[in-house]
Formats: sequence, C-alpha cells, structure tokens
Amino acid sequence: GNSVTQMEGPVTLSEEAFLTINCTYTATGYPSLFWYVQYPGEGLQLLLKATKADDKGSNKGFEATYRKETTSFHLEKGSVQVSDSAVYFCALSDQGSSNTGKLIFGQGTTLQVKP
Amino acid sequence: DTGVSQDPRHKITKRGQNVTFRCDPISEHNRLYWYRQTLGQGPEFLTYFQNEAQLEKSRLLSDRFSAERPKGSFSTLEIQRTEQGDSAMYLCASSPRGLAASTDTQYFGPGTRLTVL
Repeated sequence: GNSVTQMEGPVTLSEEAFLTINCTYTATGYPSLFWYVQYPGEGLQLLLKATKADDKGSNKGFEATYRKETTSFHLEKGSVQVSDSAVYFCALSDQGSSNTGKLIFGQGTTLQVKP
Repeated sequence: DTGVSQDPRHKITKRGQNVTFRCDPISEHNRLYWYRQTLGQGPEFLTYFQNEAQLEKSRLLSDRFSAERPKGSFSTLEIQRTEQGDSAMYLCASSPRGLAASTDTQYFGPGTRLTVL
C-alpha cells in the first residue's frame, strides 16, 4: 500500500543554518504531495504542496520539489529561524479506487532551532 | 471564515464509557475527514464524508466507532465502550469542492485530545 517515510528527528540547528528534511514515498499512480507543519500547541497547517511531477511547492522560504524518479519530496529552507521550530509532516493523497483524497502521513520530524 | 472547530478540546473518560466529539468544518466545504494521531506519530485516516454520505471507512475504525454528518455540515464521532488504546488526538479536516479530492488542501481543526483512564 501507499506509504511515506521521513527522516527521524529531532533535528537541531542553529539560527540561519540550512535545513533539509528528507521525505520519500511509495504510491501507485500520481499522488499529490504535501508538507504540513504543527507549531507547539497548534493544529496542523499546510506549508506547501505539489500536485504533479517536477512541480515545486514553496511558502515562507520553504521549498520542496516533487521528484517522481526518486519518489522524494524533500523539504528545504536556506536560513532557519527560531520561529521555525515545530513538527513537520510529509503526506501524500491516496488515489485509490475511492479517490477520496485521504492523506497518508509520515511519522513527523521535530525541528529545534537554537538562537 | 473561522476555520475548522472541534469540541471538546480535551476529554478524560473512564474505560467503558461512551464519548462523542463534534467537528464544525469551514462553511461550504463539502468534504470532511477524521484522523487519529497518537504521540510521536503522524495522523492516520479514519473516515471520509462527501456532504452527508460516508464514503470510506478505515479498517482502524472498529465497530465501536461511528461517525455521522447528518445535514452535510457538522460531523460527530462517537466511540462506544472506550478502551485505553483509544487515547489519542482526534483530528477533523475539511476541504472545498475542487477539481479533485486528491489535489485539494485539507484544513485541520485543533483536535480533541482523548484520555481513557
């Protein structure tokens, strides 16, 4: 079945460091790919998405490119801030026979940014 | 547009009791999803509604779980005879009527944290 695998955390970085959080997926068909973020004490928020191969999603300085050949959707940011400290979830939309758009999530990666 | 709301935010119950959670989606969103999230894990899909019709249920949803969306607006999730393994965060999400369910953004509520003693 479809699945998402993320790099294990926590990831601890100093402010202004470069961030990469790896995400790979297994899926049939052509799912859409998403990154959601969960800040402390808050609900899940969409960070960015890509709906087809080679699309690049971007938001708030974060970027991820849908790579079909490597089945990856790695999240990157050139210079992290303390306010980026959160849990990041990679997800894909399941395109099974029911095509409900249900999301399959990775286990989440905790990012801690120190000043 | 006030976002997706869920009630209650926290629920503590004793094993064997029944609990019911409510989700109010963003108005005019016709798609509604329930997920469950345990500590340190990503959310797992439970069930999906399109308007008032429940179109998919996960195998995770045992017969002790039931969900409804009677008028295609708010939804309720009931757990009967709760067990300690039901302790988790229950998340609701909604999405608008778009070109395809698989590409539309899902907007999540804050969740209901259930603790079964």
